[in-house]
Amino acid sequence: DAGVTQSPTHLIKTRGQQVTLRCSPKSGHDTVSWYQQALGQGPQFIFQYYEEEERQRGNFPDRFSGHQFPNYSSELNVNALLLGDSALYLCASRGTGQGMETQYFGPGTRLLVL
Amino acid sequence: GENVEQHPSTLSVQEGDSAVIKCTYSDSASNYFPWYKQELGKRPQLIIDIRSNVGEKKDQRIAVTLNKTAKHFSLHITETQPEDSAVYFCAAYLWGSGYSTLTFGKGTMLLVSP
Repeated sequence: DAGVTQSPTHLIKTRGQQVTLRCSPKSGHDTVSWYQQALGQGPQFIFQYYEEEERQRGNFPDRFSGHQFPNYSSELNVNALLLGDSALYLCASRGTGQGMETQYFGPGTRLLVL
Repeated sequence: GENVEQHPSTLSVQEGDSAVIKCTYSDSASNYFPWYKQELGKRPQLIIDIRSNVGEKKDQRIAVTLNKTAKHFSLHITETQPEDSAVYFCAAYLWGSGYSTLTFGKGTMLLVSP
């Protein structure tokens, strides 16, 4: 049973470019959340997807957008990249229902914006 | 929204000593409190969690306590080992609302010296 997977593992972009990060949830999970983790900080919530809809959003600008597919996988898109977008981007998944509150994290995508 | 404060930011102990990390949360409705361990360059991994209907939970050398009245919870690690060295994050979550997600503390870097 594969856990949460993310691709790519590392990415280097320049300011103004756009990036797409991908996440496949753990088997049996249908809810995907994205987090940004800056160096030395805790993960900051970006948004959460369930049933292909953005269910909740953190304090991030509209440059950050996402999508969830029918197979529950998800993408995070960031437009007009800024230097400050350099961070580890983590995807986490969980199921719905009793006892499914635990979120499991993927290995992350480390984004460097130059 | 929820706010989680975590202390200390760094903690150095000798192998065999105990380590305690403390967190406070602001939203009295939060009912699920996980702890994650993140080793350098790796994903956060759940090490223990506690629900608001329980005051204490143990798993071998790790225990978590919750004081709902004071809105704080703590992680206790006994007989620390060098492999316990990592960054530990506490988090708070309102499970069951359908529209909630994890709010993390800023992390505690634990260093266990042989």
